[in-house]
Amino acid sequence: GQQVMQIPQYQHVQEGEDFTTYCNSSTTLSNIQWYKQRPGGHPVFLIQLVKSGEVKKQKRLTFQFGEAKKNSSLHITATQTTDVGTYFCAGLSNYQLIWGAGTKLIIKP
Amino acid sequence: GAVVSQHPSWVICKSGTSVKIECRSLDFQATTMFWYRQFPKQSLMLMATSNEGSKATYEQGVEKDKFLINHASLTLSTLTVTSAHPEDSSFYICSARPSVWAQVRRHSPLHFGNGTRLTVT
Repeated sequence: GQQVMQIPQYQHVQEGEDFTTYCNSSTTLSNIQWYKQRPGGHPVFLIQLVKSGEVKKQKRLTFQFGEAKKNSSLHITATQTTDVGTYFCAGLSNYQLIWGAGTKLIIKP
Repeated sequence: GAVVSQHPSWVICKSGTSVKIECRSLDFQATTMFWYRQFPKQSLMLMATSNEGSKATYEQGVEKDKFLINHASLTLSTLTVTSAHPEDSSFYICSARPSVWAQVRRHSPLHFGNGTRLTVT
């Protein structure tokens, strides 16, 4: 079936270091959405990418959608403690939202 | 805007009892709502799509008779976990998409409730 693979599962970084998570779909996507879930909380919508090769920025967060609309990435520059949480990508294919497994961002003490 | 309220936030129940979880769209109408289940450290798993005025559409492997869904109005969907067992303990989250976007913006993002943490003892 249709899958969206998301890696890594966890990423430990020092505060101030960068963080990146990648999503790869087995099929071409209509769009890809990114969500953030804080510990104990619910997913919160961050952004949606629709166009091939699209790049969007939100302050320190940079989102990319691949040319083939099969992969996407989220890059956070200079992580802060407020960035802690799990980041999910969700790809829309055949009107179904397919979720990645999530990447948990952990700030080293 | 686009606020989704889910109640209760957490519930502890005894094995064999039933638990009802409510999902309300507070400032918009939602023809369709979605129910997810999330195990610790795992991703969201879609359980069913709740359709206002008609039967819910369940994902493969989800027992219809165990997870009863009712979408009686454009702002309320309920999930009832019947005869709960410890293995049903999980985080249940609902989400909704404004009806007005359903045709124009079919790809629009979801708005999630705060989730319900169910513990069955």
